[in-house]
Amino acid sequence: GALVYQYPRRTICKSGTSMRMECQAVGFQATSVAWYRQSPQKTFELIALSTVNSAIKYEQNFTQEKFPISHPNLSFSSMTVLNAYLEDRGLYLCGARPRVNQDTQYFGPGTRLLVL
Amino acid sequence: QQKVQQSPESLSVPEGGMASLNCTSSDRNFQYFWWYRQHSGEGPKALMSIFSDGDKKEGRFTAHLNKASLHVSLHIRDSQPSDSALYFCAASEPGTGGYKVVFGSGTRLLVSP
Repeated sequence: GALVYQYPRRTICKSGTSMRMECQAVGFQATSVAWYRQSPQKTFELIALSTVNSAIKYEQNFTQEKFPISHPNLSFSSMTVLNAYLEDRGLYLCGARPRVNQDTQYFGPGTRLLVL
Repeated sequence: QQKVQQSPESLSVPEGGMASLNCTSSDRNFQYFWWYRQHSGEGPKALMSIFSDGDKKEGRFTAHLNKASLHVSLHIRDSQPSDSALYFCAASEPGTGGYKVVFGSGTRLLVSP
């Protein structure tokens, strides 16, 4: 079946340091990967959308300078949170859209980021 | 203002009962809708998609879409304790391939045995 793995599941970093998280699609080829942040209040914010053969598009309030993303192939994406501060805490979710069923999006379990 | 609004914020139903969740979009460009379910400690999982007016039934779950009012609902019949979770409505614009999805703030469902 189609699965999305995220690593690490949980991480703690000191304020001002950086943290890299990974997303792996297994069992399907992802034509796009979207990174979201779910706040402690449970609302989702779209950070950026990475589509095959297109530039990575960041949403308002999110920048490449703060959340650089690498999407080297159809199965793997990574995102770094640079200079993490308290407001960056949350559950970072990766959503991957398969080539054959583009009306759905498979989510990973998320990387929970705590900032001290 | 959020473009996708859900109600109620929380809902309690007895086991075997019917749970009804609502979602409304304030952006007429949003024509495609999904329902996701998220259990504690997990990422959201897609339950159903609905793109056309009317009802769509999958097992105990029925989604209803009214494009004129941009209202979509999810009805869960014979609710089970395992249905207890956060339910999110998500919407996107057609023509984008559904790539950009906006989520509502969620409805927390509790099914008591």
